[in-house]
Amino acid sequence: GENVEQHPSTLSVQEGDSAVIKCTYSDSASNYFPWYKQELGKRPQLIIDIRSNVGEKKDQRIAVTLNKTAKHFSLHITETQPEDSAVYFCAASLSNTGKLIFGQGTTLQVKP
Amino acid sequence: DARVTQTPRHKVTEMGQEVTMRCQPILGHNTVFWYRQTMMQGLELLAYFRNRAPLDDSGMPKDRFSAEMPDATLATLKIQPSEPRDSAVYFCASGPGPGQGSYEQYFGPGTRLTVT
Repeated sequence: GENVEQHPSTLSVQEGDSAVIKCTYSDSASNYFPWYKQELGKRPQLIIDIRSNVGEKKDQRIAVTLNKTAKHFSLHITETQPEDSAVYFCAASLSNTGKLIFGQGTTLQVKP
Repeated sequence: DARVTQTPRHKVTEMGQEVTMRCQPILGHNTVFWYRQTMMQGLELLAYFRNRAPLDDSGMPKDRFSAEMPDATLATLKIQPSEPRDSAVYFCASGPGPGQGSYEQYFGPGTRLTVT
């Protein structure tokens, strides 16, 4: 079955710097890759996603890149702000199943 | 702004008691998922439904857990009997589903379960 590895487990950056979180997946048939942000005590919220027919997607300060050959995808946050501090989860899915397999999460701390 | 709702938000119970968690998916969503979140295991998929039919519950301990969708507006997750190791946050999520060309999932606020 699908397995998703996420790195790093914790990340601390200064406000204004960029942050990058990387995930690798095992099943080459996976074709949908969402990213979720979870603040303490809150629900995971979908912040951006990418399908396998696209190499990059951007939404304001966040972007996701996908390398299907290497089976990895990354989340990029530019100009980080303290409110970006949260746990970020990547996931991979076989679209015909709808199942999401999540990475272990990255705790991002943005220092003012 | 439609959202998935879950009840109760918090539940404290004694070992051996039955626990029932409820979820109302977003109207029109055809897929419903149950996840369990713990510090050690992260987010684990327990079960999921498409058009109210259970498609996969391989992540769920079958001897004590059961998941159902009595109708399109209600999904339930039951634990009987509950054990301390079941303490976790249980999330429900719903999505339009592949039939509507979407694989997105939207999470409810979760039920924080503590079994003593």
